[in-house]
Amino acid sequence: KQEVTQIPAALSVPEGENLVLNCSFTDSAIYNLQWFRQDPGKGLTSLLLIQSSQREQTSGRLNASLDKSSGRSTLYIAASQPGDSATYLCAVRASGSRLTFGEGTQLTVNP
Amino acid sequence: NAGVTQTPKFRVLKTGQSMTLLCAQDMNHEYMYWYRQDPGMGLRLIHYSVGEGTTAKGEVPDGYNVSRLKKQNFLLGLESAAPSQTSVYFCASSYRNEGSSYNEQFFGPGTRLTVL
Repeated sequence: KQEVTQIPAALSVPEGENLVLNCSFTDSAIYNLQWFRQDPGKGLTSLLLIQSSQREQTSGRLNASLDKSSGRSTLYIAASQPGDSATYLCAVRASGSRLTFGEGTQLTVNP
Repeated sequence: NAGVTQTPKFRVLKTGQSMTLLCAQDMNHEYMYWYRQDPGMGLRLIHYSVGEGTTAKGEVPDGYNVSRLKKQNFLLGLESAAPSQTSVYFCASSYRNEGSSYNEQFFGPGTRLTVL
């Protein structure tokens, strides 16, 4: 059974700092990995999708990497801003159409 | 495009009552999903559908039923609500790309359900 773990569970940083969020998964036979952002009381917003054949994806200040063989992904946020405060979730798609989610990292960026 | 929408946004039920949650998408996606999100448990898949008229069980299907009569709609039903079904319910949809690596899922805003 696929299990997804995100470390740390919570992170608080000062504005402007670069930071890394970690995601690990137990079964490396995945189709893709997706990073989401969730604001309090809101739905999930897709940030980046990394296909199994890719090593990384970039969008603005966000960069996600994927090391399928070791079962790891990282989300790098450059020059963090208070507006980046949210919970970040990673999810992997293995067999079938279902996503398996981690429990998320709650990020607080302090002004 | 409205994307994925969910109705209602909030609901309070008494134990034993029934209700239906509606999910609609205007992206012409083949696949649709229902998840529940609980503290400490993350998001878990309840049921999903790979096309109109088809449904399949996910990780936690007990106590729920679904229907996909139209491609754009996916209904989640609770026949006899229980306090354990208190949760936030999310609907999602994606393109049909089974076997392909591309299958980005788009989520609705959620429905907060409380069962007393």
